[in-house]
Amino acid sequence: DAGVTQSPTHLIKTRGQQVTLRCSPKSGHDTVSWYQQALGQGPQFIFQYYEEEERQRGNFPDRFSGHQFPNYSSELNVNALLLGDSALYLCASSSGQGRGQPQHFGDGTRLSIL
Amino acid sequence: GIQVEQSPPDLILQEGANSTLRCNFSDSVNNLQWFHQNPWGQLINLFYIPSGTKQNGRLSATTVATERYSLLYISSSQTTDSGVYFCAAKTNTGNQFYFGTGTSLTVIP
Repeated sequence: DAGVTQSPTHLIKTRGQQVTLRCSPKSGHDTVSWYQQALGQGPQFIFQYYEEEERQRGNFPDRFSGHQFPNYSSELNVNALLLGDSALYLCASSSGQGRGQPQHFGDGTRLSIL
Repeated sequence: GIQVEQSPPDLILQEGANSTLRCNFSDSVNNLQWFHQNPWGQLINLFYIPSGTKQNGRLSATTVATERYSLLYISSSQTTDSGVYFCAAKTNTGNQFYFGTGTSLTVIP
């Protein structure tokens, strides 16, 4: 039973570029949430997808967008990359929007902006 | 959103010692989890514990929901316990998980 898988594991981009990160949830999970973790800080919630819709969004600009596919996998897109976007991006999956259910995290994508 | 505070921020232990990590949250929660983040950045689920007490080997956790805090106990610590421990909580009124700032644990041999 595969857990949450994320790709790629590492990525290097330059300022102004665009990036797409991918996440496949744990089997049986229908909800995907994305987090940004800057060095030395706790993960910060970006948004959550359920039934192919963005259900809640954290305090992130519109440059951050996402998508959920019918098979529950998800993408995180970041446009016009800034140096400050350098971080570990974590995907978490759960069932039923995480209400009363634990979240399971992938190993993350480490994004570096030059 | 809710505030999640963890203490202590840093902890250094001799191998074999016991420790207690605390997580305070500012509102009623329906979901609380403890995680261990290893040096490679992997977030490992330790406990899903919105209330009550659970034990898993040398680790145990207690959440007193009415008093809005949770405790993580580590007994007979090992060097492999080193890393950052996070608690994260979600309220009944939203889908957003809020993480604390973490406790950085170093276990020395």
